Amino acid sequence: GAGVSQSPSNKVTEKGKDVELRCDPISGHTALYWYRQSLGQGLEFLIYFQGNSAPDKSGLPSDRFSAERTGGSVSTLTIQRTQQEDSAVYLCASSSIAGGRYEQYFGPGTRLTVT
Amino acid sequence: AQSVAQPEDQVNVAEGNPLTVKCTYSVSGNPYLFWYVQYPNRGLQFLLKYITGDNLVKGSYGFEAEFNKSQTSFHLKKPSALVSDSALYFCAVRDGSGGYNKLIFGAGTRLAVHP
Repeated sequence: GAGVSQSPSNKVTEKGKDVELRCDPISGHTALYWYRQSLGQGLEFLIYFQGNSAPDKSGLPSDRFSAERTGGSVSTLTIQRTQQEDSAVYLCASSSIAGGRYEQYFGPGTRLTVT
Repeated sequence: AQSVAQPEDQVNVAEGNPLTVKCTYSVSGNPYLFWYVQYPNRGLQFLLKYITGDNLVKGSYGFEAEFNKSQTSFHLKKPSALVSDSALYFCAVRDGSGGYNKLIFGAGTRLAVHP
């Protein structure tokens, strides 16, 4: 079946501009996650959506970052007034916790470059 | 708080030799443990997980991992390494606190398999 998809695959933007990154999770997965990965390093958790529950926003680095998930499916991560330190690969993942299946499935990522 | 540690930044192995990538964990309650692999310019791929049952877990691409409760370890192993196994490997533990279902990732270990 189809995996997690993300768009765009690459995004170059000027400092100060806003950007929107999109994630389409695996159909039927109730949980959706956003991570940030800098220069092939570790994963930094950003935000987590689970069904209709309030999202866990504890990982968002500043109020310039926000995310929404519409209809329990597609999610958009928005970064306002981008800064050079926002340059990274943004990864989305989804999972189904039904039946104890906690593993997350990742999309290919969006590489964001802020110039 | 749940955490995982990957004590080695890089592991170098000759092709055909056995490989081990180390992971130790700290959790309250029963651990749910995972291994992921990331190939260059790709998202993370799920390799295997331990939830309960046999301490030796078999996964994709010939990898296996051994859960050791007394040593709080979950090392990734493969009997005979391939050059194509060269990648970045992440260990993760489930954090179910607050009713959420997040994965806490280690910093990653880069595996280099030499011909």
